[in-house]
Amino acid sequence: DQQVKQNSPSLSVQEGRISILNCDYTNSMFDYFLWYKKYPAEGPTFLISISSIKDKNEDGRFTVFLNKSAKHLSLHIVPSQPGDSAVYFCAASPLNDYKLSFGAGTTVTVRA
Amino acid sequence: DAGVTQSPTHLIKTRGQHVTLRCSPISGHKSVSWYQQVLGQGPQFIFQYYEKEERGRGNFPDRFSARQFPNYSSELNVNALLLGDSALYLCASTILTGTGDSPLHFGNGTRLTVT
Repeated sequence: DQQVKQNSPSLSVQEGRISILNCDYTNSMFDYFLWYKKYPAEGPTFLISISSIKDKNEDGRFTVFLNKSAKHLSLHIVPSQPGDSAVYFCAASPLNDYKLSFGAGTTVTVRA
Repeated sequence: DAGVTQSPTHLIKTRGQHVTLRCSPISGHKSVSWYQQVLGQGPQFIFQYYEKEERGRGNFPDRFSARQFPNYSSELNVNALLLGDSALYLCASTILTGTGDSPLHFGNGTRLTVT
C-alpha cells in the first residue's frame, strides 16, 4: 500500500527556472515530511524537512510547502542549477516514529 | 566528519545463500535503520535499532534479521536468498531527539545481486 505518492516520474526544467516537485500522502498520522536527493551510486541525501505545525519551510534555494487538508506537499527549487539533476524522494513519518515511508521518486533534469 | 559507512559496496550471491551487510553510523548517532531499494521504487523500511534494541520492523519475512552492537554499528542478515532480494540496501543513522525532527542520514548502500 503506497502511502506516499509522487505521480510525476520525471521533470525537465531549464537552468535558472523554477522546479516544482509534488507529493501526495494518504496516512493522516504523518506529521513529519522530508525531501531527499539521490545521485546514481550514492545514498539519498537529506535536503529539507517540515513538520505538520508549519505550512512552509525555506532553506536557500529550496522551499517546501505543506497543505495538510489536501495531504499534499511540494518542493520548489529556485533557481534550478545543473547540479540539481538527480532523483528526488518525498518521505513521511508520524512524529517520533523514525520509520519513513518514501515515494517512488521524481527524476529531475536541468537543461543548460 | 565521516558519514554513514556501509560494506561491502557490491555483492553477488546465489539463490539459497546467506548474506551479511554491515553499517557504521555517524559518530554520536545511536539509532540505525535499514532500507531496501528496488530499482524504480523508493526505499522500503526493514528495521530500526536504538541502543541495541529493535524499535521497528517493516513488512519483510523472517529471513531478514538485524542486530546492533555496543558501538552502535549494525549488521543486516538475509537467509535463503531469493532472486527478488536483489536490491540496494541502505543503512541510515540519526540522533533521536525525541521531537521527531531529526532526519535520517544515509550511507551509499550495498548493491546486492542474487543469481
